[in-house]
Amino acid sequence: AQKVTQAQTEISVVEKEDVTLDCVYETRDTTYYLFWYKQPPSGELVFLIRRNSFDEQNEISGRYSWNFQKSTSSFNFTITASQVVDSAVYFCALSEAEGTDKLIFGTGTRLQVFP
Amino acid sequence: EPEVTQTPSHQVTQMGQEVILRCVPISNHLYFYWYRQILGQKVEFLVSFYNNEISEKSEIFDDQFSVERPDGSNFTLKIRSTKLEDSAMYFCANRDGYTFGSGTRLTVV
Repeated sequence: AQKVTQAQTEISVVEKEDVTLDCVYETRDTTYYLFWYKQPPSGELVFLIRRNSFDEQNEISGRYSWNFQKSTSSFNFTITASQVVDSAVYFCALSEAEGTDKLIFGTGTRLQVFP
Repeated sequence: EPEVTQTPSHQVTQMGQEVILRCVPISNHLYFYWYRQILGQKVEFLVSFYNNEISEKSEIFDDQFSVERPDGSNFTLKIRSTKLEDSAMYFCANRDGYTFGSGTRLTVV
């Protein structure tokens, strides 16, 4: 069965520190997709990235970067030089290509960035 | 940029009352989803809807829940007789996982 684990419940950092949010997933499918979402205090879910299982290339977008490693079933998210505006809950999610593509979410990591 | 629109943003209802949550998904998409997030918890899949039929539902989606696309545009989630534990944020989404609506916060009192 599919499962997404975000072991870090809460992380606190001071502005300009780098921070990595961990995500470990389980799936029996060979074709699947991994996602990260940001949920700010206002409550909406903001899409950050989607990665398919055949693309293990790391991705960088500004201060954000993602490290996908199939060997360890991990899809970690790093924020470089964190800012107060990065404070939010971050969710990792998985969908499998077979079936309805529903998303299975992790329990989220609350990131607090202090000035 | 295409958006998924949900109304209302916040609804308060008395226990036992029926509520209808509305979503206008991105047009020309065929797959739609409802998710639920109890305050402080993770986002959970409720139901997927394809070609005017339920294609998959979770164990949360019991007989109290129903979904419809009554006019080919709006996509609704109905809760027939609300319970206190239905209090949550409800999100509508299109397929591909990219786009979620801004959510409806349902409070059952």
